[in-house]
Amino acid sequence: DIQMTQSPSSLSASVGDRVTITCRASQSTSTYLNWYQQKAGKAPKVLIYAASSLQSGVPSRFSGSGSGTDFTLTISSLQPEDFATYYCQQTYSFPWTFGQGTKVEIK
Amino acid sequence: QVQLQESGPGLVKPSETLSLTCTVSGGSISDYYWSWIRQPPGKGLEWIGYIYYTGDTSSNPSLKSRVTMSVDTSKRQLSLKLSSVTAADTAMYFCAGMAVGGTRVFDHWGQGTLVAVSS
Repeated sequence: DIQMTQSPSSLSASVGDRVTITCRASQSTSTYLNWYQQKAGKAPKVLIYAASSLQSGVPSRFSGSGSGTDFTLTISSLQPEDFATYYCQQTYSFPWTFGQGTKVEIK
Repeated sequence: QVQLQESGPGLVKPSETLSLTCTVSGGSISDYYWSWIRQPPGKGLEWIGYIYYTGDTSSNPSLKSRVTMSVDTSKRQLSLKLSSVTAADTAMYFCAGMAVGGTRVFDHWGQGTLVAVSS
């Protein structure tokens, strides 16, 4: 199985901050890497697919980059509605696996 | 617009079989690979497996021996059965859709259904 490791596991930030979350795969996933946002009690929602493509309807302050084993999700200017948990996921090989999550909290 | 709705008993006894249904509305059921994903309380996401409308499946090896998935295209329903459950199977269970020939991302999710395993 490909292990996905996110860092940090949690962070505190203020509205307007630039936030960066990293995801490292235990082996290459090419660009089969997705990012999801999950709010409490809700299903995850896709933000970024194929490492760097913005899902339709997602604000442009979200961006993704990387390939191979190292990936980044960036929120350019954190908004109140962005406080949530973020997960990376690889769909390069079975079983599809998720990172452990990064919880973004209000500072 | 594709919408998914999970349903099933909220409580299952240890050693019994958990049975869930996901009803698909909107879209064509043959246009998606349909996955089950679970999330224990306060923890991360685990992919259980997927099924295509033809009946083709792939499951997570960690659960494969206990998982049965099926699809009823006439009812537009997906089914998940997980046998010999223990407390470790207590989780929110989601169904999700991934477009065939698309970008390998779950772009449609149900709201989830919480299942507790307890006597």
